[in-house]
Amino acid sequence: DAGITQSPRYKITETGRQVTLMCHQTWSHSYMFWYRQDLGHGLRLIYYSAAADITDKGEVPDGYVVSRSKTENFPLTLESATRSQTSVYFCASSESFRRLQETQYFGPGTRLLVL
Amino acid sequence: QKEVEQNSGPLSVPEGAIASLNCTYSDRGSQSFFWYRQYSGKSPELIMFIYSNGDKEDGRFTAQLNKASQYVSLLIRDSQPSDSATYLCAALRGSQGNLIFGKGTKLSVKP
Repeated sequence: DAGITQSPRYKITETGRQVTLMCHQTWSHSYMFWYRQDLGHGLRLIYYSAAADITDKGEVPDGYVVSRSKTENFPLTLESATRSQTSVYFCASSESFRRLQETQYFGPGTRLLVL
Repeated sequence: QKEVEQNSGPLSVPEGAIASLNCTYSDRGSQSFFWYRQYSGKSPELIMFIYSNGDKEDGRFTAQLNKASQYVSLLIRDSQPSDSATYLCAALRGSQGNLIFGKGTKLSVKP
């Protein structure tokens, strides 16, 4: 049971480059989320998705794009990376809106460094 | 004002003692509350969730919720060095289904 995986686990890129972070879950969960975690800010929501082809902005969406053509995948794209996007990115999922009351499962995270 | 506030710590307790972690939230519409534990360099892992006023116990952990005071706490009994981590309090925003996290409290349990 693979659960929720993220790739790559570590990424170094340069300012202005496009970067895509992948998130894959094997549970067929409806809800998926992207968070970033920064010192001094904690975890903040970037985008979320309630189902395939349904996405919406979170607290800090600027500079990011998401898509969800398949239930199991939720890629996050940085269209033109900036140094301020250096962070640890976590993907999370939950089975349903009802199950959101009880838990979200987090992936292992991607550490992104933008030079 | 951040929606979920925690004392950043560090909170230091001796092994075997009770660790008390506190959290306040501002959105009265928040439905559920969570405590996650995060070891350095790792992802958050769920310890407990609570959505009814009162106490909820699970092993050495007890979560307490007081909606009138907008206060959530986590007690860790018989603290162990392996409990040393950052503890994240989170509230579920009902309209979106996402979690609003506090900045976390770093707990250190000294042998």
